[in-house]
Amino acid sequence: AQSVAQPEDQVNVAEGNPLTVKCTYSVSGNPYLFWYVQYPNRGLQFLLKYITGDNLVKGSYGFEAEFNKSQTSFHLKKPSALVSDSALYFCAVRDQTGANNLFFGTGTRLTVIP
Amino acid sequence: IAGITQAPTSQILAAGRRMTLRCTQDMRHNAMYWYRQDLGLGLRLIHYSNTAGTTGKGEVPDGYSVSRANTDDFPLTLASAVPSQTSVYFCASSKGQGGTDTQYFGPGTRLTVL
Repeated sequence: AQSVAQPEDQVNVAEGNPLTVKCTYSVSGNPYLFWYVQYPNRGLQFLLKYITGDNLVKGSYGFEAEFNKSQTSFHLKKPSALVSDSALYFCAVRDQTGANNLFFGTGTRLTVIP
Repeated sequence: IAGITQAPTSQILAAGRRMTLRCTQDMRHNAMYWYRQDLGLGLRLIHYSNTAGTTGKGEVPDGYSVSRANTDDFPLTLASAVPSQTSVYFCASSKGQGGTDTQYFGPGTRLTVL
């Protein structure tokens, strides 16, 4: 069975500091991994995805994520947080069968403190 | 601007009533999806459609039905609403149905069943 865990419901970081939002996954076979961001009263916006290749994936708004197969993790990172990064972040996974279901984590609320 | 539109934005509905949530995309994507978002549970797939004329069940299909008469539209119907269907509903689409295809989300419909 496929699943995603986001171990932190809430992450607080000071503006200008680096941020990390954690995600671990479980799939049979190789994973396809995604990060989405949700601002208040809005839909989910795609940030980045890992399919294959370089373990460090760069995405929108200066975000990047590092795929670590041995630790089954796909943590989202940004070198310098902005107040405008405050939002709800979702990690999601699919497996190679191409099954339609995109399995989401429960979300992590990021608050960047001015 | 290309994207996904959903209607209504929000709705309060009496239990037992029938309700159709509308979703339209103008990206000519083949695949479309309906998710519900509940606090602490992330997003869960209700139904999907890989191409016009076909539909399939997701993780939580009971109490919902869908149709896909054309490429652009993917309505979700609650035949007889119950309070447990109170949720935020998101429509999404992707170019293909493969595991690597990115899903893009609409702004959501907030439904309250009393």
